[in-house]
Amino acid sequence: SQQGEEDPQALSIQEGENATMNCSYKTSINNLQWYRQNSGRGLVHLILIRSNEREKHSGRLRVTLDTSKKSSSLLITASRAADTASYFCATDAGVSGGGADGLTFGKGTHLIIQP
Amino acid sequence: NAGVTQTPKFQVLKTGQSMTLQCAQDMNHNSMYWYRQDPGMGLRLIYYSASEGTTDKGEVPNGYNVSRLNKREFSLRLESAAPSQTSVYFCASRVRLAGGPPYNEQFFGPGTRLTVL
Repeated sequence: SQQGEEDPQALSIQEGENATMNCSYKTSINNLQWYRQNSGRGLVHLILIRSNEREKHSGRLRVTLDTSKKSSSLLITASRAADTASYFCATDAGVSGGGADGLTFGKGTHLIIQP
Repeated sequence: NAGVTQTPKFQVLKTGQSMTLQCAQDMNHNSMYWYRQDPGMGLRLIYYSASEGTTDKGEVPNGYNVSRLNKREFSLRLESAAPSQTSVYFCASRVRLAGGPPYNEQFFGPGTRLTVL
């Protein structure tokens, strides 16, 4: 079953605006990761935040994690047309959590940046 | 470095046919994974191999088998393809640190688009 749910499912904004995507999950995690997928391509890792971290930055990306609410958000600032893609959150519980060693993905947010 | 490579890129099968999807990584990673992605869905884990010589089931293993041929290669086999296995298949790998929780990202291949008629 899907661990996470992204919100919104689709988002269309103007170039230069900020884009915020949210992710909720169900079980305890070791870390949460965000990936980008361009149409017809594989996934590219964007950022990883550990369960004991609350906020992390990487370039124009800002990720927050609230383990008490089991939620995370991804903020892309000053969006560009090249940011158009699908964005997925993925939780990593690890085998110590009793599950399989692998990522559990949400359904993704499709982001469109209008030029 | 080629990263994670997958072959073939596209495949069309008839119901009941068999095929093997190939995956190789040149990053000396010990853990490898197979996922499937269906329209409007995130990726779901089929099988994984935490290290050379071991394989384990993921969330959706039915209808598939895997082989960890060596540290570089991890193949996924469909013995008798069904239309429900029409999907995009992704292979991934990462370094798995012994004795500790995973704190690193996975690297994904470009995917294999499989259609079963």
